[in-house]
Order: sequence, then C-alpha cells, then structure tokens
Amino acid sequence: DAMVIQNPRYQVTQFGKPVTLSCSQTLNHNVMYWYQQKSSQAPKLLFHYYDKDFNNEADTPDNFQSRRPNTSFCFLDIRSPGLGDAAMYLCATSSPGAPLHFGNGTRLTVT
Amino acid sequence: QKEVEQNSGPLSVPEGAIASLNCTYSDRGSQSFFWYRQYSGKSPELIMFIYSNGDKEDGRFTAQLNKASQYVSLLIRDSQPSDSATYLCAVEASGGSYIPTFGRGTSLIVHP
Repeated sequence: DAMVIQNPRYQVTQFGKPVTLSCSQTLNHNVMYWYQQKSSQAPKLLFHYYDKDFNNEADTPDNFQSRRPNTSFCFLDIRSPGLGDAAMYLCATSSPGAPLHFGNGTRLTVT
Repeated sequence: QKEVEQNSGPLSVPEGAIASLNCTYSDRGSQSFFWYRQYSGKSPELIMFIYSNGDKEDGRFTAQLNKASQYVSLLIRDSQPSDSATYLCAVEASGGSYIPTFGRGTSLIVHP
C-alpha cells in the first residue's frame, strides 16, 4: 500500500544532543511537510517542500533544519534539542490543494 | 494571520446521538476545507473534505460549508464510542497557497 512512513516511532535524546527524524513516502507527492504537535494543540507547520523548493515558516526556530534529498525522503534535524522541543513530529505529504496524508509520527522525548 | 477557530471541548454526547463539530475561519478567500480525526497519541487521518457551499455526506459523516459565514461543520450521526477522538479542522490558504492551517481541534467523547 502507498504510504508515509516515519522512523523512529519513539525517539529519546539528551538535552543538546543532535537528533534526526526521517520520513519516506511511496505516494510520489510533490509536497512534503513537517509539523510539530504538542499536547492539546494544533499541528504547527515547521517546513514544507514543493519538490525541491524549501519553505521555512517565519517562526520556526533556527535549531530546526530539514533536508529532502529526493522525492521519497525528507529529514528533520534538530541541532540542539531543548526540553521545549519535546513533542510529536508529524510528516505529511500531498499534491497541492489535496488532503494531507500523515505518517504515524515520531514522539520525541528530551531528557 | 490566518486563523481557524474550534471549540476545544470536550463535547460529550451519548451513543447514538448526533455530534456537531464547528469551525470558523478568517481567510475569506479559502476554497478547500478538511476534517481530520486524531486519536490520542496517533497521527491525524482524513475524514472529509469539502470545496463547495452546502452539504457533503459520506456514510455517517456530513460536512457543511457556508463560505459567506466563513463556517464549516462536521456532523456525525449515530455516534459510536469509537468516534471518541479529537477532530481537527483544516483550511487551505487563499491566494494560490496550498498550505492548510489547522485549528486546535475539538475533543469528542461518546459515552455508552
């Protein structure tokens, strides 16, 4: 089945230790998104790619970066995680204007 | 700042009742509207999308859109305990942007 896969499902990292979250898709969608979601809050858009074109939200901290080496894969790098970065990180894909297809998410814990 | 507003709830309804979830949005030019369901600790999954004014029905779910009032709703008929979840409203931005803005979601509890 075509899908969006995120790895790992759970990630524990130490304060300040870089961490990378990954996302892959078999849907061949142009657009890939990274959202951060904290408890009882709306998903907050961090970045999105339209093909190779990278779009950074104005309020995304510099601590967060992203890479999309090809259509299928996208990575979220957190250079120096703080306690406030603990959250669910959601990867999604879509064709422009169409509904989003979400991966299962990565729950990040910062100790 | 484009905004999508939802009552956070919880909305509690008895099994078999109709649950009505509401969403208002600020971007008057928005054309595409989505409802996602999110179970606790899981990722959102699409329930319905609607592009035109009026009603759109899919099984027990009906989405209603009123662009003049900038209002979109989701009705769940014959509510089941398995419908207990958070329902996120998402509105696509106008002006050629395809990026959706999410509301914070309404928590629905269906009690037996």
